[in-house]
Amino acid sequence: GQQVMQIPQYQHVQEGEDFTTYCNSSTTLSNIQWYKQRPGGHPVFLIQLVKSGEVKKQKRLTFQFGEAKKNSSLHITATQTTDVGTYFCALNYGGSQGNLIFGKGTKLSVKP
Amino acid sequence: GAGVSQSPRYKVTKRGQDVALRCDPISGHVSLYWYRQALGQGPEFLTYFNYEAQQDKSGLPNDRFSAERPEGSISTLTIQRTEQRDSAMYRCASSAGWGQPEAFFGQGTRLTVV
Repeated sequence: GQQVMQIPQYQHVQEGEDFTTYCNSSTTLSNIQWYKQRPGGHPVFLIQLVKSGEVKKQKRLTFQFGEAKKNSSLHITATQTTDVGTYFCALNYGGSQGNLIFGKGTKLSVKP
Repeated sequence: GAGVSQSPRYKVTKRGQDVALRCDPISGHVSLYWYRQALGQGPEFLTYFNYEAQQDKSGLPNDRFSAERPEGSISTLTIQRTEQRDSAMYRCASSAGWGQPEAFFGQGTRLTVV
């Protein structure tokens, strides 16, 4: 079956510190998406990575897709309290109309 | 509609009763997904549709769970003979497909079986 591992499960940082979460798949992916869920909210799409080795940036967030298209990372530089939430990777196995499987997420807390 | 709408937002039911959860996706979206999310966990895949066709139902826990999307728009997730372990947040998401796989989530239905 489709396996996805996301680490770490929790991360507590001081405001201003960096944060990274990793996502690994047992099989090659069509693409990978990242979502953020604020406490009490629903998952909200952040970005999609498609190409092998792709790197995309959104302000303080940097997303990478592995060369083998089996892993990905999300890095936040200089965290702020507004970054608090759970970050999920979502693995797409069949293209834009394929199944979307979520990782267990990394819960980020930021101490001011 | 402007976003994915789920109803009811909250449902409390007695063990053994059947429940139907409704999802109204964004107009024109091809794909519709159902997930179950326990507190502190990621969305657990249940099933998904492209148009009216159920593409994958491998995530449905057992035969008490079923879903349909008869006209390729609104979908209903039905749980028969509910059990306490069915209590969870049930989330629906839709995506446009055709190169636009971003999934938009509804607010969810919080199901409590007592």
